[in-house]
Amino acid sequence: AQSVSQHNHHVILSEAASLELGCNYSYGGTVNLFWYVQYPGQHLQLLLKYFSGDPLVKGIKGFEAEFIKSKFSFNLRKPSVQWSDTAEYFCAVKPNQAGTALIFGKGTTLSVSS
Amino acid sequence: IAGITQAPTSQILAAGRRMTLRCTQDMRHNAMYWYRQDLGLGLRLIHYSNTAGTTGKGEVPDGYSVSRANTDDFPLTLASAVPSQTSVYFCATSPEEGVVGELFFGEGSRLTVL
Repeated sequence: AQSVSQHNHHVILSEAASLELGCNYSYGGTVNLFWYVQYPGQHLQLLLKYFSGDPLVKGIKGFEAEFIKSKFSFNLRKPSVQWSDTAEYFCAVKPNQAGTALIFGKGTTLSVSS
Repeated sequence: IAGITQAPTSQILAAGRRMTLRCTQDMRHNAMYWYRQDLGLGLRLIHYSNTAGTTGKGEVPDGYSVSRANTDDFPLTLASAVPSQTSVYFCATSPEEGVVGELFFGEGSRLTVL
């Protein structure tokens, strides 16, 4: 069965530190990849997505992610985090095949101290 | 304002009671989904509907049922609630079933079963 692994359960950073959240998936075929963010008390919002083309995608609020096909990875990065980035981050994978649903990782909680 | 409306936003329920969580969208999206979010487990798909008149089981369907009589509504019913169904439930939509996969989420319904 397909699965999505997020390596970090909880990441604690100071403001201005750099961020990288790992995400790996298990599926041999073509996939669409997503990062969602959930701010405290809110619903999930799309941060960025990759369908095809340039494997380095840029999203909102200075986030970017790089798709490395050979490593089945889609890590999220931000050069300098802010206190307002405190949230839970979910990696999600959609096999490029009709009849399959979006599969979420278990999430990574990011806490940024000011 | 276009979007997804979930009701109720919060509910405390006695075990054994029947409960229906409502989800209505006005974006005319074909696909709709119900997820539950639990600490440390991320989001897990309960049921989905690719288009009006069709439904399917997700990862954790037991104890839940859905119906999709029209495009806009996708209610989730717990026939006889149990404490393990205490969770936050998110309804989501997607413009089309298939390979794209980007989801739009409602605000969530927090359910506590005692």
